[in-house]
Amino acid sequence: QVQLQQWGAGLLKPSETLSLTCAVYGGSFSGYYWSWIRQPPGKGLEWIGEINHSGSTNYNPSLKSRVTISVDTSKNQFSLKLSSVTAADTAVYYCARGVLVVVAATSHYYYYMDVWGKGTTVTVSS
Amino acid sequence: EIVMTQSPATLSVSPGERATLSCRASQSVSSNLAWYQQKPGQAPRLLIYGASTRATGIPARFSGSGSGTEFTLTISSLQSEDFAVYYCQQYNNWPPHLVTFGPGTKVDIK
Repeated sequence: QVQLQQWGAGLLKPSETLSLTCAVYGGSFSGYYWSWIRQPPGKGLEWIGEINHSGSTNYNPSLKSRVTISVDTSKNQFSLKLSSVTAADTAVYYCARGVLVVVAATSHYYYYMDVWGKGTTVTVSS
Repeated sequence: EIVMTQSPATLSVSPGERATLSCRASQSVSSNLAWYQQKPGQAPRLLIYGASTRATGIPARFSGSGSGTEFTLTISSLQSEDFAVYYCQQYNNWPPHLVTFGPGTKVDIK
């Protein structure tokens, strides 16, 4: 049973850097995409970005200039850094495991996130 | 960038009734569509992937259908634990690789 445990600072001042880490327990780290998603209070889900076990990353273009996602395969952990935070970055931040399935015969694919962390509430306030 | 829309924004349903939720993509995503359920204070839970495959442990009353740009999540007989927000999601497997969620449909008690 794969579980994700996440942690990090919950209260930041404007201009500081948000830093969160997610540890993967009970399953393989390779072969998956490891994502960060956030949810502002009362709003929907926004994907921040992802990384695979080899360190290849994809970021949401709207956040790309401020986001760094890194991986530590020796600890089965991945981390999020978001720089220059403002009140608009106040949200619950989730880590999640992404599965990409490619159907070789048709080149069709599908992607889903099947395991999620419990979420970390991050508040940005002066 | 593919934009996902969902309708209705809120769906009021009585327990035991059928609920039909819609998700539309701004261009074809083939069958690359997942559905999630989120209850207050909880992380999202995967319900459906590949447009129509139920995730492990998901009850048979949840079903997904559609392909291309139009998708439907059907809950055949609503149980009390099904009142929640439902999100659809697609993924670009070409640059820029991007996960996109719909804005969500809230299913509440009528």
